[in-house]
Amino acid sequence: ETGVTQTPRHLVMGMTNKKSLKCEQHLGHNAMYWYKQSAKKPLELMFVYSLEERVENNSVPSRFSPECPNSSHLFLHLHTLQPEDSALYLCASSQGTGNTEAFFGQGTRLTVV
Amino acid sequence: RKEVEQDPGPFNVPEGATVAFNCTYSNSASQSFFWYRQDCRKEPKLLMSVYSSGNEDGRFTAQLNRASQYISLLIRDSKLSDSATYLCVVNNYLHYGGSQGNLIFGKGTKLSVKP
Repeated sequence: ETGVTQTPRHLVMGMTNKKSLKCEQHLGHNAMYWYKQSAKKPLELMFVYSLEERVENNSVPSRFSPECPNSSHLFLHLHTLQPEDSALYLCASSQGTGNTEAFFGQGTRLTVV
Repeated sequence: RKEVEQDPGPFNVPEGATVAFNCTYSNSASQSFFWYRQDCRKEPKLLMSVYSSGNEDGRFTAQLNRASQYISLLIRDSKLSDSATYLCVVNNYLHYGGSQGNLIFGKGTKLSVKP
């Protein structure tokens, strides 16, 4: 059983909807991440939070909005998405961000219609 | 040049075969290296870290060549359960001299072990 839990596991949303993805880690880690995995592409880092502060935003469109209220929880708020945003969204956590193993949640498979 | 490049495969091998995966990375300042494994429709999980001296874990051997910016993974006596996608991962620091890292993933190499 993973120490990183993501909900929902599957989500279908229209382009005008607003939804949120939730991630919770029970490992006592101080860094959390959002990754996007599209078909035939490598995992793409979207956001990094370390000690609840956003460290990195890899030029992600503003229709994706992260929130990290504490070191155990991470959200990804979605609004006015496009069909090309359909992908597997993976949350991960680690103890620090340098030279450490990242533990992944099972992901949310998002379909935008 | 892509940051982390891998042969996408698929590699189709019989049980008991030895299979080798290669990976190259573009950032000579990369600090740490890993192999992750991802089963179909599952999340990636760490298989092993890769050290300059090379390291072995059972049937798995990882090698790093910093001069060539090359990483390898060797699987001996492959099992049906080894079927998965193997991801080469490099950790680059976000800022020079900093401690904040950034895991860069390759596209992965798919392995299928047949009976």
